[in-house]
Amino acid sequence: AQSVTQLDSHVSVSEGTPVLLRCNYSSSYSPSLFWYVQHPNKGLQLLLKYTSAATLVKGINGFEAEFKKSETSFHLTKPSAHMSDAAEYFCVVSETPGNTGKLIFGQGTTLQVKP
Amino acid sequence: GAVVSQHPSRVICKSGTSVKIECRSLDFQATTMFWYRQFPKKSLMLMATSNEGSKATYEQGVEKDKFLINHASLTLSTLTVTSAHPEDSSFYICSANGNYGYTFGSGTRLTVV
Repeated sequence: AQSVTQLDSHVSVSEGTPVLLRCNYSSSYSPSLFWYVQHPNKGLQLLLKYTSAATLVKGINGFEAEFKKSETSFHLTKPSAHMSDAAEYFCVVSETPGNTGKLIFGQGTTLQVKP
Repeated sequence: GAVVSQHPSRVICKSGTSVKIECRSLDFQATTMFWYRQFPKKSLMLMATSNEGSKATYEQGVEKDKFLINHASLTLSTLTVTSAHPEDSSFYICSANGNYGYTFGSGTRLTVV
């Protein structure tokens, strides 16, 4: 069965410093992996997705993630945090190969950005 | 890009009444739509998966008679919370899957008083 584990429930950084949100996955096949961001009382916005192409995936708003099969990780990074990055972030894996099945969500990481 | 419109964004209803939430894919056809429930400071919990023209598939523990899902067309799915109770108060989010992958609605905050 597929699963994702977000290693930190809460991450706090200062504005202008790097962001690292950690995600490990478990999958019996080559997974499709996603990072979504959710601002308070809003829906989810796709930041980036990995679907077996390049292992370094660039997303919106300066975010990127690297798929590391040997470490079963898909950590999200950003070189310099902005105040507007404060939100909830979800690492997600598709239950089945491709993009047609159910999505399995991690528990979420709250990113706090201090001025 | 793909847009999913979800309405209403907020609704307050009295206990015992029913509430309908709509989820529309505006510029693509969604073969599959998903309905999620999110508790405060928690992750999304999948409630059900609906395919156009067929009965929804509910996750374990979700009452299908309480949460009625209709997917009558390739662009519209509805979730009806029947005989709502305060414990049904939550944030409900839909997602549509089409050529653009998964696209999420903006969510509906349901408060039952």
